[in-house]
Amino acid sequence: EPEVTQTPSHQVTQMGQEVILRCVPISNHLYFYWYRQILGQKVEFLVSFYNNEISEKSEIFDDQFSVERPDGSNFTLKIRSTKLEDSAMYFCASSDEGSRNDEQFFGPGTRLTVL
Amino acid sequence: LAKTTQPISMDSYEGQEVNITCSHNNIATNDYITWYQQFPSQGPRFIIQGYKTKVTNEVASLFIPADRKSSTLSLPRVSLSDTAVYYCLVDYNQGGKLIFGQGTELSVKP
Repeated sequence: EPEVTQTPSHQVTQMGQEVILRCVPISNHLYFYWYRQILGQKVEFLVSFYNNEISEKSEIFDDQFSVERPDGSNFTLKIRSTKLEDSAMYFCASSDEGSRNDEQFFGPGTRLTVL
Repeated sequence: LAKTTQPISMDSYEGQEVNITCSHNNIATNDYITWYQQFPSQGPRFIIQGYKTKVTNEVASLFIPADRKSSTLSLPRVSLSDTAVYYCLVDYNQGGKLIFGQGTELSVKP
């Protein structure tokens, strides 16, 4: 069964450093998403991406964040200058269609720890 | 204004049927009701989706009354491996993004 993969599984970084979280969505999917989950809290939407551009972003997704699909398979989330409060699990998801009712497939997540 | 309300936690025993009810008083005409499951340190996983009446798949059933202001996820004969957080989602007003609430933490005991 096809699945979304994410690397690394755990990333430790110093405050102020840049990090890039990588995702490989399911191959025939066209819509891609990033979510984050701070420990003990709910899953929060960050950004959706379609046709090589951002479709929607939340207020969390400020200028420190960016997303890119550098090739036909990878989808990345970059945080330019990490803050302590960026420590969280980051989940990538993809879907066949961007419709409101479409099932999203989530990856296993990357645990980001900012020291 | 919260879109959904569900119990924070529930306890059950192996082999029992578990019903988790979600309230969504302000559901819009075009909204579907979707449930996701999340195990610790894993991404959420789609369980079931419905619009009205009853939907059943290999893992769960979803009951939706005529007014659609609530829905009930039914898990038959739960096992220890069903211990997880279950999320009810109905907020699809802006494209495909998923808006998660706090979810219901289900604990299945032997």
